[in-house]
Amino acid sequence: EVQLVESGGGLVQPGRSLKLSCLASGFTFSNYGMNWIRQAPGKGLEWVASISSSSSYIYYADTVKGRFTISRDNAKNTLYLQMTSLRSEDTALYYCARRPGGRRYFDYWGQGVMVTVSS
Amino acid sequence: DIQMTQSPASLSASLEEIVTITCKASQGIDDYLSWYQQKPGKSPQLLIYDATSLADGVPSRFSGSRSGTQYSLKISRPQVDDSGIYYCLQSYSTPFTFGSGTKLEIK
Repeated sequence: EVQLVESGGGLVQPGRSLKLSCLASGFTFSNYGMNWIRQAPGKGLEWVASISSSSSYIYYADTVKGRFTISRDNAKNTLYLQMTSLRSEDTALYYCARRPGGRRYFDYWGQGVMVTVSS
Repeated sequence: DIQMTQSPASLSASLEEIVTITCKASQGIDDYLSWYQQKPGKSPQLLIYDATSLADGVPSRFSGSRSGTQYSLKISRPQVDDSGIYYCLQSYSTPFTFGSGTKLEIK
């Protein structure tokens, strides 16, 4: 069974940093691209970042470029999102999602982890 | 950036109706369009990918189509369990962009 389990969220002050993790199981992690998508409370979905299976290709939304870093450790089956210079508008539920190799959709999503940026 | 204009914002339908939700792309996206259903307190689930392909385990009452740069999700004879929020996603080019969502209520 495919499972994606996010962790690392919490309450953080503006300007501080936080690192999210997404532990994958039930599939060969190194064969899949991965993404982070977020959803502010009561709002729609916003794509945040994407990383290819071998980390060769990385893309970011303009809203997080220069502040967030997506990475992965295929040996640990784990996806990361390092978030720095956090702002109140980064407050959201953060999902990791799997992208099948060579395809352009997200077929499995984690349950999400909440990040709240507030003083 | 590619804009995805989704409509309607909300919709109420009966069990006998055909429900149609549309997303219009601001430019061609080569059918790199997927549809997701999100129920309250749950993560989104893939329904349709590549504009018209049904995801594994999704009931056949769901279907996708395209006309020009307008993409549609159709639900034929919806069930009460189909209530939720539906989003389209273009993944033709980054930044990937979602539609604003359609809240569907099945009476």
